[in-house]
Amino acid sequence: ELKVEQNPLFLSMQEGKNYTIYCNYSTTSDRLYWYRQDPGKSLESLFVLLSNGAVKQEGRLMASLDTKARLSTLHITAAVHDLSATYFCAVDRYGNKLVFGAGTILRVKS
Amino acid sequence: KAGVTQTPRYLIKTRGQQVTLSCSPISGHRSVSWYQQTPGQGLQFLFEYFSETQRNKGNFPGRFSGRQFSNSRSEMNVSTLELGDSALYLCASSWDTTYGYTFGSGTRLTVV
Repeated sequence: ELKVEQNPLFLSMQEGKNYTIYCNYSTTSDRLYWYRQDPGKSLESLFVLLSNGAVKQEGRLMASLDTKARLSTLHITAAVHDLSATYFCAVDRYGNKLVFGAGTILRVKS
Repeated sequence: KAGVTQTPRYLIKTRGQQVTLSCSPISGHRSVSWYQQTPGQGLQFLFEYFSETQRNKGNFPGRFSGRQFSNSRSEMNVSTLELGDSALYLCASSWDTTYGYTFGSGTRLTVV
């Protein structure tokens, strides 16, 4: 059974600082997704990572995938308050079923 | 371009009743999947439909069912509602999973 683990589950950051969220998964997969969720809202797609070594960047967020280590990272550079949200990674093993991590609650303090 | 549309947005039902939720995918997307989100269990996969066929199903009791129509719109039904069914139900559509999944705004179901 595929398991997806995120850490940390809660992250309180100062504005301007850098940090990384980790996503480990238990079985082979080459499709990994990152989503953002604001309170009471739906999931917003951030990144789609499809192959080993994939790296994608959007603004202050950068995601990478290492399929051999079964690890993805979401790196936050120079955090700003607007990045406060819950971030989920999800692995798609069969092409039509996402298994989500528990989510990382990010709070950026000024 | 219209996104994934879920109706209704909010619903309050009584234990024992049944409920039907609707999802209209992005035009051209033939895959529709459903997820349940609760504070305790997080995001859990319910089922996925492609061209009116259920291709995958999660570990939920038979009270949870779904279907997809020829226009790709999907419905999910929950019968004999229990308090624990209170959750945010999210629908996602996809044209090709290499492009990812687009989620709707969700239906928040409260069972009292």
